[in-house]
Amino acid sequence: EDQVTQSPEALRLQEGESSSLNCSYTVSGLRGLFWYRQDPGKGPEFLFTLYSAGEEKEKERLKATLTKKESFLHITAPKPEDSATYLCAVQAYTGNQFYFGTGTSLTVIP
Amino acid sequence: ETGVTQTPRHLVMGMTNKKSLKCEQHLGHNAMYWYKQSAKKPLELMFVYSLEERVENNSVPSRFSPECPNSSHLFLHLHTLQPEDSALYLCASSQEIFSPLHFGNGTRLTVT
Repeated sequence: EDQVTQSPEALRLQEGESSSLNCSYTVSGLRGLFWYRQDPGKGPEFLFTLYSAGEEKEKERLKATLTKKESFLHITAPKPEDSATYLCAVQAYTGNQFYFGTGTSLTVIP
Repeated sequence: ETGVTQTPRHLVMGMTNKKSLKCEQHLGHNAMYWYKQSAKKPLELMFVYSLEERVENNSVPSRFSPECPNSSHLFLHLHTLQPEDSALYLCASSQEIFSPLHFGNGTRLTVT
């Protein structure tokens, strides 16, 4: 069964304290892995797509990496404005549907 | 207006009411989606339309009825809902079916 597990469920960091969020997945034939950011009261905002193991994408303080079983979202020197819930989703070749994780709620304390 | 716009932002309805959620996308995309987001649960796909044709219906109860009159507009008609239907309903669009999704800000629905 295709599924996505994100950890930790919640993460509190001091401003400037780098860390990583994990997205583990099982899917029969990965078409793509997607990271989204969701602020309270808003819809998810697209961040990255990764297609193959070894691929990396960067945007400001965020860097996403992909292996055959998991993806990491690395946050370098986070700022309070990085506080949000980060969602991971995978898409399989069969069926085309997206499978979402339950997210990691990140709080960055000034 | 840019992106994906959803109205209303908040909706409170009784179990016997009939209401509709509206979504409009200004991105020129060909596919539109309805998702349900409940606390502590993954986003749940409800319906998918590609070029105004429904291509996916994930065993959604008949009290939810979608309508896609054109590639820019999507509606979700609601009737005789249950309290467990209270959730954030998200509309999304994508360039082609199942390419990266662009979400609206959702309608927070409360069924009393």
